[in-house]
Amino acid sequence: EVQLLESGGGLVQPGGSLRLSCAASGFTFTNYAMTWVRQAPGKGLEWVSGISSSGDSTFYADSVKGRFTISRDNSKNTLYLQMNSLRAEDTAVYYCAKDGCADVICYFDYWGQGTLVTVSS
Amino acid sequence: DIVMTQSPDSLAVSLGERATINCKSSQSVLYSSNDNNYLAWYQQKPGQPPKLLIYWASTRESGVPDRFSGSGSGTDFTLTISSLQAEDVAVYYCQQYYSSPCSFGQGTKLEIK
Repeated sequence: EVQLLESGGGLVQPGGSLRLSCAASGFTFTNYAMTWVRQAPGKGLEWVSGISSSGDSTFYADSVKGRFTISRDNSKNTLYLQMNSLRAEDTAVYYCAKDGCADVICYFDYWGQGTLVTVSS
Repeated sequence: DIVMTQSPDSLAVSLGERATINCKSSQSVLYSSNDNNYLAWYQQKPGQPPKLLIYWASTRESGVPDRFSGSGSGTDFTLTISSLQAEDVAVYYCQQYYSSPCSFGQGTKLEIK
């Protein structure tokens, strides 16, 4: 059974940093790209960032480019999102999702339960 | 960037009736070299993460009931629920993965009439 377990969310002040983690199990982690998608309270889905199976290629939404960094540790089956210079508009539930593809960002066939990030003073 | 627009924003359908949700992309998501449409559909129930229903515009994900179907090509797509069940109440999203950044539609809220 595929499981994705996010952690690291919480309350942070504007300008602060957080590091999200996503522990994956139940599939061969090294074979698939991975993605972060967020959802602001009461709003729709917004793709944030993706990373290829090897970690060689990374992709970002314009809204987070230069502030967020996606990475993965294939030896630990874990995906990360380092979030710096956080803004109020980054407040959202952040979902980790498994891609259906290896080296490009495509559809997302498994999702974690999400972790809430709140940016507020 | 490709913009995805869904219609309607909300929809109320009687139990057992057909529900149709539309999704339009600002440019084609059909990749001519493999004839695949890079379009997926998701269902999100309150308090839950999204669930993949359809990918490649018309391929049903394993375990998804066959009352759900996807159709369309190029820029215009449709998600159809052939006979609405109570458990289908949710928000539905389309997503294009033809080009980065991938993008979602704004969502369509489906309710029981």
